[in-house]
Amino acid sequence: EAGVTQFPSHSVIEKGQTVTLRCDPISGHDNLYWYRRVMGKEIKFLLHFVKESKQDESGMPNNRFLAERTGGTYSTLKVQPAELEDSGVYFCASSQAQTGKGFFGQGTRLTVV
Amino acid sequence: GENVGLHLPTLSVQEGDNSIINCAYSNSASDYFIWYKQESGKGPQFIIDIRSNMDKRQGQRVTVLLNKTVKHLSLQIAATQPGDSAVYFCAETQAGTALIFGKGTTLSVSS
Repeated sequence: EAGVTQFPSHSVIEKGQTVTLRCDPISGHDNLYWYRRVMGKEIKFLLHFVKESKQDESGMPNNRFLAERTGGTYSTLKVQPAELEDSGVYFCASSQAQTGKGFFGQGTRLTVV
Repeated sequence: GENVGLHLPTLSVQEGDNSIINCAYSNSASDYFIWYKQESGKGPQFIIDIRSNMDKRQGQRVTVLLNKTVKHLSLQIAATQPGDSAVYFCAETQAGTALIFGKGTTLSVSS
C-alpha cells in the first residue's frame, strides 16, 4: 500500500512568486493534516481536513496560505505571494480515524530566496 | 545517555548504550502522546505511543514513560544502534485534535 506522498520534494522560488504543494494521503484516510518545520524549529500544525472540509485551520499563519482538498482525496497548499519566512519543510499526514496520530509524507522542502 | 531536565537539542551516545530522550509537554489535558523519529530527508515516522491512562508502554527496544504529575514524557532506547541516529520528536494531542510537537532531540550514535 502506498504511503503519504508529497510533491515536489524540493522547491526553490523567489520572493513574491507562487508555489503549490501537493499531498496524496493514504487511500481511504479521511483525515489529512498539514504541518511545517521552519528553520530547524519544532514542527507546527497548519490545518486539518476531514474529507473535503476544513476541520481546523487555526495554524495557518496568514491569508497568503490557501489549502484545498477538492473531492476529499489529494490536497494542495498554495503560498501566494511567498515570503522569505515561509521557507521550511512542509509535511502532510493522513489518518483513518481522528486520533491525532498520522502517517507522514516525506515532506516538501521550500526555499524562498 | 540522557538529556535531562531542560530540553537539550542533542544527545550523543556510544553504540550499545541505552539512550533516554526527555520531553516536557505543555497541555495537562492532553490524553495521547506519540514519539516520532525523523531521519534526514524523510518525514516523521511513528515509533511508539501512550495514552494518558498509562504510565509506561514497551515496544521493541523502546519504552515510553509518562509522568502526568510533572507533564513529562521520556523515550528509552535499549542497546542503541547507529541506525537509531535521527531527530526524535515527542507529540501530544487532546481528543484527536492536531498534534503539538516538542522541539526535537538529535540523537547521534557512534560506533
